[in-house]
Amino acid sequence: AQKITQTQPGMFVQEKEAVTLDCTYDTSDQSYGLFWYKQPSSGEMIFLIYQGSYDEQNATEGRYSLNFQKARKSANLVISASQLGDSAMYFCAMRDGGGNKLTFGTGTQLKVEL
Amino acid sequence: NAGVTQTPKFQVLKTGQSMTLQCAQDMNHEYMSWYRQDPGMGLRLIHYSVGAGITDQGEVPNGYNVSRSTTEDFPLRLLSAAPSQTSVYFCASSYRQGPDSYEQYFGPGTRLTVT
Repeated sequence: AQKITQTQPGMFVQEKEAVTLDCTYDTSDQSYGLFWYKQPSSGEMIFLIYQGSYDEQNATEGRYSLNFQKARKSANLVISASQLGDSAMYFCAMRDGGGNKLTFGTGTQLKVEL
Repeated sequence: NAGVTQTPKFQVLKTGQSMTLQCAQDMNHEYMSWYRQDPGMGLRLIHYSVGAGITDQGEVPNGYNVSRSTTEDFPLRLLSAAPSQTSVYFCASSYRQGPDSYEQYFGPGTRLTVT
């Protein structure tokens, strides 16, 4: 069975600083994918970034980057130059080898302070 | 494109009542899924579909039924509502972008309360 672990229930970061949100995973599949989603207080799920298990380079999308360490089974999200609008819940999720089923972690609540 | 739409946005049910949560997508995606989100537990997969006429159970399927008669629609039926089904329900759709990528598009969610 697949498992995603997010060990930081809450994080604080100062505006304009970088922050790393931790995610470790467990799977027996050779092919899998890792996602990060943002959920603001309004409740919608916003896709941020994706890393495939065979991708050798870390994924980047604007201020978001995914620090993928396959041997350690970790897929940490790095947000550079934090903004007040980054305050939200962040979820790490893993796609199973077969297709579209996602397993989610419990999330990290990020608060960006002035 | 409207993307993934869900109705209703909010619903209150009494224990034992039945209802259907609607989900539709206009992106011709083959994959559709239902998740529930409970406080402190992240999202958990209820049921999913890999195409019209094909559905399967996820992690927490008990008390829910689904069917997929068209590519666009994937309704979730609560057969006899229980307070334990109080949750926020998300529908998602996806397609295979490449050999190793399946971006999921989420609907806005339905907040259900069972009293």
